[in-house]
Amino acid sequence: DIVMTQTPLSSPVTLGQPASISCRSSQSLLHSDGKTYLSWLQQRPGQPPRLLVHETSNRFSGVPDRFSGSGAGTDFTLKISRVETEDVGIYYCMQATEFPPTFGPGTKLEI
Amino acid sequence: QVQLQESGPGLVKSSETLSLTCGVPGYSFKRGSYWGWIRQAPGKGLEWIGAIHQTGSTFYTPSLKSRVTFSLDTSRNQISLKLTSVTAADTAVYYCARHDLFFRGQGTPVTVSS
Repeated sequence: DIVMTQTPLSSPVTLGQPASISCRSSQSLLHSDGKTYLSWLQQRPGQPPRLLVHETSNRFSGVPDRFSGSGAGTDFTLKISRVETEDVGIYYCMQATEFPPTFGPGTKLEI
Repeated sequence: QVQLQESGPGLVKSSETLSLTCGVPGYSFKRGSYWGWIRQAPGKGLEWIGAIHQTGSTFYTPSLKSRVTFSLDTSRNQISLKLTSVTAADTAVYYCARHDLFFRGQGTPVTVSS
């Protein structure tokens, strides 16, 4: 299985300031169809996980544009341009290039 | 928007079989995609259990493969999970979802008691 790692595992942030989370995969996530199936999810306290970004950089429906994803191959980044109170939670990267899909360990974002 | 809804017993005794179902209203499985289950133990991260495609193709996380069975009922638009020989380590919130997480349920908590 592809192993996903994230850094940092915990990130204190300041409201209104940018934040960044890194995700690395144990092998390239470039699929034979030319797409890279790397997603980012947000899980607020007590809530189910919510899809933010799919295929590395595509924001999911209803996701604010302060969230952006980038990367290629084995290295990926989620950026929040200006952190808001509602962004507190745990962020997971997930690969679905190879089955079974696998998650990173999560990054806790706290104000 | 497809609203998935899990249902299950809430409490299962150790060594017994956990059975969960998930309704997928308004979506035809004939359109493809894998549909399956993710779980999250208390205070822990997310873990794919596995999923099933309308063609019958499945994938599993290796550590659970020997205890898991999936089924997909196209007439009821429903997927099901059976997890045998449960232990306290199977206590978790179980989510049903499409493999890309475009659609997922709110989750159903399962506690394994001794």
